[in-house]
Amino acid sequence: NAGVTQTPKFRVLKTGQSMTLLCAQDMNHEYMYWYRQDPGMGLRLIHYSVGEGTTAKGEVPDGYNVSRLKKQNFLLGLESAAPSQTSVYFCASGQLSGTGELFFGEGSRLTVL
Amino acid sequence: QQPVQSPQAVILREGEDAVINCSSSKALYSVHWYRQKHGEAPVFLMILLKGGEQKGHDKISASFNEKKQQSSLYLTASQLSYSGTYFCGTRLAGGTSYGKLTFGQGTILTVHP
Repeated sequence: NAGVTQTPKFRVLKTGQSMTLLCAQDMNHEYMYWYRQDPGMGLRLIHYSVGEGTTAKGEVPDGYNVSRLKKQNFLLGLESAAPSQTSVYFCASGQLSGTGELFFGEGSRLTVL
Repeated sequence: QQPVQSPQAVILREGEDAVINCSSSKALYSVHWYRQKHGEAPVFLMILLKGGEQKGHDKISASFNEKKQQSSLYLTASQLSYSGTYFCGTRLAGGTSYGKLTFGQGTILTVHP
């Protein structure tokens, strides 16, 4: 009964390094999202996907890339990390039919020095 | 375009009521409400679809005024467990951003004994 799993949960990077955050869901959801959360800024949408093989930009996509090669996985990449990307990242998945509920992962705390 | 929430923070005594507002500059298809406890992931409360419906469970209810592009979350007879940050999320009407869900900046609700 895993739900939405994010890895890693914590990471410290140096400026210019790259990394990938992995989001995996086991609920067969079509829709997946990556948000970042910063104090006072709420949840800001980075990228989202409405199905396997599709991705779309959110409100703050610059500096990030995503891929959805498999329906259950949504990867968020940082090619060249910057201190401004220090944040807590949340992945979410859901369906638009039914309750429309999004299920969130526990979050990944990223610090860029 | 993130929806705008007000107020930014609310402090209550147990048993008091509160209203949190959410507004958008664009036509909405649906409004979603979530609550986040400190250090945890956001948790779904309810979704309201266009059509001006009102929903609720327990002592938390919400309304959606499609014409005004606004939603309000009502918390009555507040309990200590209601403390947290409340987020409204919105999906725009029309087909250009299907599946895109953006959240407001959040409202911090604190309930004291």
